[in-house]
Amino acid sequence: AQSVTQLDSHVSVSEGTPVLLRCNYSSSYSPSLFWYVQHPNKGLQLLLKYTSAATLVKGINGFEAEFKKSETSFHLTKPSAHMSDAAEYFCVVNLSGNTGKLIFGQGTTLQVKP
Amino acid sequence: DTGVSQDPRHKITKRGQNVTFRCDPISEHNRLYWYRQTLGQGPEFLTYFQNEAQLEKSRLLSDRFSAERPKGSFSTLEIQRTEQGDSAMYLCASVSGPPETQYFGPGTRLLVL
Repeated sequence: AQSVTQLDSHVSVSEGTPVLLRCNYSSSYSPSLFWYVQHPNKGLQLLLKYTSAATLVKGINGFEAEFKKSETSFHLTKPSAHMSDAAEYFCVVNLSGNTGKLIFGQGTTLQVKP
Repeated sequence: DTGVSQDPRHKITKRGQNVTFRCDPISEHNRLYWYRQTLGQGPEFLTYFQNEAQLEKSRLLSDRFSAERPKGSFSTLEIQRTEQGDSAMYLCASVSGPPETQYFGPGTRLLVL
């Protein structure tokens, strides 16, 4: 069965320092993996997606993620945090087959301190 | 704005009442998904449509829940005899691709008193 585990429920960084949000997945297939961000009172926004092309995926707002099959990981990184990055981040796996439904991790709250 | 829209954005109702939510997907997307997100959790799949056909329903979708997409465009999600446990954010997404990308609406936040 496919599943996603976000290893940290809460991450706090100072503005200008690197961000690392960790995600491990479990999948019987070659998965499609995504990171979505959710700002308070706003909808989910796609940050980036991995679909079996390049293992290093670049997304919006300076975020990137690396797919590591040997470690079953898809960690999200950003070199320098901005205050506007404070939000909830979800690692997501797309079930293969015809349904295409998404399985979400529990989420990681990113706090950015001035 | 040509994104996914949902209406209403907020709904407060009393236990036992019926509520209906609407989702308008991006016009060229033929697949539409409903998810539910409770406080502090990630969204959970409820059901999805390929055009007007409802192809899968989650076990989360009790008999009190019904969803329709009559013309393969907008969709409605109805909850009958609401319970306090139904309080959540209800999210709609429509799909482009391959490769598939789900675009989410802003959600409808339901509070059952």
